[in-house]
This record gives sequence, structure tokens and C-alpha cells, in this order.
Amino acid sequence: AQSVTQLGSHVSVSEGALVLLRCNYSSSVPPYLFWYVQYPNQGLQLLLKYTSAATLVKGINGFEAEFKKSETSFHLTKPSAHMSDAAEYFCAVSVNSGNTPLVFGKGTRLSVIA
Amino acid sequence: DAGVIQSPRHEVTEMGQEVTLRCKPISGHDYLFWYRQTMMRGLELLIYFNNNVPIDDSGMPEDRFSAKMPNASFSTLKIQPSEPRDSAVYFCASSARRDNSPLHFGNGTRLTVT
Repeated sequence: AQSVTQLGSHVSVSEGALVLLRCNYSSSVPPYLFWYVQYPNQGLQLLLKYTSAATLVKGINGFEAEFKKSETSFHLTKPSAHMSDAAEYFCAVSVNSGNTPLVFGKGTRLSVIA
Repeated sequence: DAGVIQSPRHEVTEMGQEVTLRCKPISGHDYLFWYRQTMMRGLELLIYFNNNVPIDDSGMPEDRFSAKMPNASFSTLKIQPSEPRDSAVYFCASSARRDNSPLHFGNGTRLTVT
């Protein structure tokens, strides 16, 4: 069975600083990996996804993530944090066999300090 | 498209009462998922449907929970009788019939059972 671990339930960065949110996965077969963002009182929105094409995936709002099989990681980064990036971020994994439900990590809350 | 629509947005009820949450998926999506989000457990998959048929309900916590999908454009999640520990945000999500297609989430129903 697949699983996801997000390191750090809360990350705080200064505006303009690098954002790094960590995600490690466990899967016995090649995975699909996703990052979702949740703003207050809203549902989750897709930021980006990895589907075995390019290992560096670019998403919306300047975010990107790199798939590293050797490290079983899919960390999310953004070079310069903006106040509007403050939200909860979820990493999720699925397997390469149809519409298997996503398994989500517990989430990381990102705070951006002015 | 209007996206996934959930109702009500907020529900406050007393312990022992029946609660019904509603969801309208995105037109053309073949998969529908019900998730529950709490601080302690994060996002938990309760049940999912494919072409209106329940595929996996192993996440439904107890027999007090039931879900139906009578047609492609409507699903309900019912809790009877409700208990304070059922207090959470309940999300409905839908996706198209394609491998690795992303989930589209509704804005959730915040349930409070007193």
C-alpha cells in the first residue's frame, strides 16, 4: 500500500524567502504524485502533479516539485514566498493503475511573515 | 463549469439527530469521493463511487454512516444518529475517467454536532 509523509506540520518563512515543503512517499509500484493547496474555508486545489514524464514538475503560482526516486521524495519549492501563499499544502500519492483513490499526507501549514 | 457543489456549507445539529450532506459532482466525471477532514486525522477517504456504484466503503467509520449515489449528478452522505465525534469538515470530490486525473473538490460542509 502507498503512503505519504509530510515533514513538518507548520512551516514559517519570510516574504521573499525560499519555500520548501517536504514530502516522502512509499509505494511498491511507480507512483503518481500530487501537491494540493487548501485556502481557509475552501476545498483542495491541484498545484501540480508528477506522472512519470519529467522529474521536475512546474505548477501554478510559481511552485515546482522534483521527483527523486532514489530518495522517494517529492518536495515542493518556490523561490520567493508571497503573502498569498499562506495556506495548507497536501502531498498525495496514487499508483499507476486506474483511478485508485489518492492517499493524502497530513498537510503542512505555510505561514508567510511580512 | 460550476465545479463540485456541496450543501449545506455549515450544519449544526444536536447529538442523535440525522444529518444529510449533499454533493453535485462536475458533469462528465465518473468518480465521486467523500472525504472527512479533522485536525487529528487529516483527510480520510470515507467512500468512493465509480459510475454511481460504490467501489470501496472501507473508510466509513461505522454503520451510522451511509452514502448513496442515485444518479450521475447527485450523492448524499448520511449520518444517523450523529455524535459529537462526527464533527468535522466533509468534502466531496470528483474526477474524470482517466489515469492520474486530478480530483476536483467542493468547498466542504462543516458539521458541528453538539
